[in-house]
Amino acid sequence: AQTVTQSQPEMSVQEAETVTLSCTYDTSESNYYLFWYKQPPSRQMILVIRQEAYKQQNATENRFSVNFQKAAKSFSLKISDSQLGDTAMYFCAFMKRNNAGGTSYGKLTFGQGTILTVHP
Amino acid sequence: GAVVSQHPSRVICKSGTSVKIECRSLDFQATTMFWYRQFPKKSLMLMATSNEGSKATYEQGVEKDKFLINHASLTLSTLTVTSAHPEDSSFYICSANELVGTGGGGSNQPQHFGDGTRLSIL
Repeated sequence: AQTVTQSQPEMSVQEAETVTLSCTYDTSESNYYLFWYKQPPSRQMILVIRQEAYKQQNATENRFSVNFQKAAKSFSLKISDSQLGDTAMYFCAFMKRNNAGGTSYGKLTFGQGTILTVHP
Repeated sequence: GAVVSQHPSRVICKSGTSVKIECRSLDFQATTMFWYRQFPKKSLMLMATSNEGSKATYEQGVEKDKFLINHASLTLSTLTVTSAHPEDSSFYICSANELVGTGGGGSNQPQHFGDGTRLSIL
């Protein structure tokens, strides 16, 4: 079974500053995906960024980037130039890759979540 | 892009009634859908995996007679909370797993989430 741990229940950052959210995971799988999801007050789940475990290069999406350390099983999210709209709960998630058929997807295991508040 | 429609978004009902929540994939086929429950400021807890044409797989501790799941077609899964009580009040979210080779290609999202249902039992 997989576990995902987010050790920061709450974080805050000033607008335009940079913040890093931590995530560690435990698995015996070698082929998997890692994700960061954002859940604003509307409670809609929004995919922020995705990392495939076999790729060494860290994923980036505009102001969002990850630091993926496979050996350490660490997957942190860095938000640069924080904006008020980044205020949300952030979830780190793990998904085992199902190799049968190539790209079918399975269930997500979520971390506890980190509430991020961006202050003006 | 791929969209999942979840209905209703909000429901308030009396204790003892049954409530049905629908999760519908709008532009792709979904052989698998997932149902989550979320308490305020907490993580999403997987309740069950809904498989088209077969029985749902429930997570440990989830009462299958309480939370009935039906996945009768490749685009629709329903969750029925039977004889609901105040402790069943929660936020329920579904997600759909896209069948490879159907519409929605190009999306980077392996799962597509509905917007959730806020259930309040009085």
